[in-house]
Amino acid sequence: DIQMTQSPSTLSASVGDRVTITCRASQSISSWLAWYQQKPGKAPKLLIYKASSLESGVPSRFSGSGSGTEFTLTISSLQPDDFATYYCQQYNSYTWTFGQGTKVEIK
Amino acid sequence: EVQLVESGGGLVQPGGSLRLSCAASGFTFSSYSMNWVRQAPGKGLEWVSYISSSSSTIYYADSVKGRFTISRDNAKNSLYLQMNSLRDEDTAVYYCAREQDYGSGLQAFDIWGQGTMVTVSS
Repeated sequence: DIQMTQSPSTLSASVGDRVTITCRASQSISSWLAWYQQKPGKAPKLLIYKASSLESGVPSRFSGSGSGTEFTLTISSLQPDDFATYYCQQYNSYTWTFGQGTKVEIK
Repeated sequence: EVQLVESGGGLVQPGGSLRLSCAASGFTFSSYSMNWVRQAPGKGLEWVSYISSSSSTIYYADSVKGRFTISRDNAKNSLYLQMNSLRDEDTAVYYCAREQDYGSGLQAFDIWGQGTMVTVSS
């Protein structure tokens, strides 16, 4: 099975900071990667699909990049509403696997 | 409004059974594949099961294979998860999620329900 590893697990940042989260796959997954945001007590929300495509309605400060085994989610200027946990997700061989999550906290 | 609403969660003893439902509205349910995803308290997301739009293709995570059964009724715009032989480690919030196909086999879960809590405990 393909494993997804996110780093860091926790990130402390201030409003206005540029934030980058990394997701690594244990083998190549081409561009089959999505990013989600989850706030406490809420369902996840799709941000990015196909590694770099922005879901409709998602602010343009969010961007995704990468292919193969290494991917990044970048928030260009962190806003108060962005403090949340972020998950990457891959699809391969009839299974979907999530990374363990990255919690973005207020510094 | 596009919406998914789960129901059927609750407290069940180890070895017991529970059936979750997910009611879809605001979109053509029969055109979409659907999934169940769960999240144990304080933990990350775990994909549980997939069903294609016509029910012709079904997949399960190894952790639930042989114990859980996914199904759907397109006439009722509903998705189900029958959970048998429940274990302590099945305790989680269970979400249903719509799968959007972006072409070339690329998918993501674009619509999620609010989740229903399942607690397995004696």
